[in-house]
Amino acid sequence: NAGVMQNPRHLVRRRGQEARLRCSPMKGHSHVYWYRQLPEEGLKFMVYLQKENIIDESGMPKERFSAEFPKEGPSILRIQQVVRGDSAAYFCASSPGGRPSEPQHFGDGTRLSIL
Amino acid sequence: AQSVTQPDIHITVSEGASLELRCNYSYGATPYLFWYVQSPGQGLQLLLKYFSGDTLVQGIKGFEAEFKRSQSSFNLRKPSVHWSDAAEYFCAVGNTDKLIFGTGTRLQVFP
Repeated sequence: NAGVMQNPRHLVRRRGQEARLRCSPMKGHSHVYWYRQLPEEGLKFMVYLQKENIIDESGMPKERFSAEFPKEGPSILRIQQVVRGDSAAYFCASSPGGRPSEPQHFGDGTRLSIL
Repeated sequence: AQSVTQPDIHITVSEGASLELRCNYSYGATPYLFWYVQSPGQGLQLLLKYFSGDTLVQGIKGFEAEFKRSQSSFNLRKPSVHWSDAAEYFCAVGNTDKLIFGTGTRLQVFP
């Protein structure tokens, strides 16, 4: 009965390093969304993926950020050469069919801190 | 462009008092509307949703929300607040393949 699982819960990186955030959707869900929450702000959409496909990446920064959702395994959000401004909470959500009427189910997030 | 506005950044109420959190949206078509709650260090939990039909929707934890198309609003209400309701509340509108969130309202409850 697992919900959306994200790991790690907390991640500390130094400037210039890479950060990899993982997300396993709820059982039976094949649609994954990534959101970023900056301090004192709401969540901002980053990317929407189905298995092996990026459907909408309109919220992704043009450089250093990438996402994948392979046929097997979790979805990965990758941030290369991290900078201080990447410090935020990153949330993953999933839904069964990707329709806007379906509630998205959220994980507990990964808190990324950049030293 | 689609947007969600939560005009109250921070609200403080006494335990047992009634609560109303405001949400206004801007969306061209029939909106899919959601309220989520976030406790510190946690993810978002769905409180309730509106798609169509009855404009007063019931959710979990005793919350309800009313959709008013003429006012583009979807306000969240609870008749009697409990200390455990202290959290951050987010209103969101479903837009094709993503959720658009408001900036949230932080609720503080005094005993």
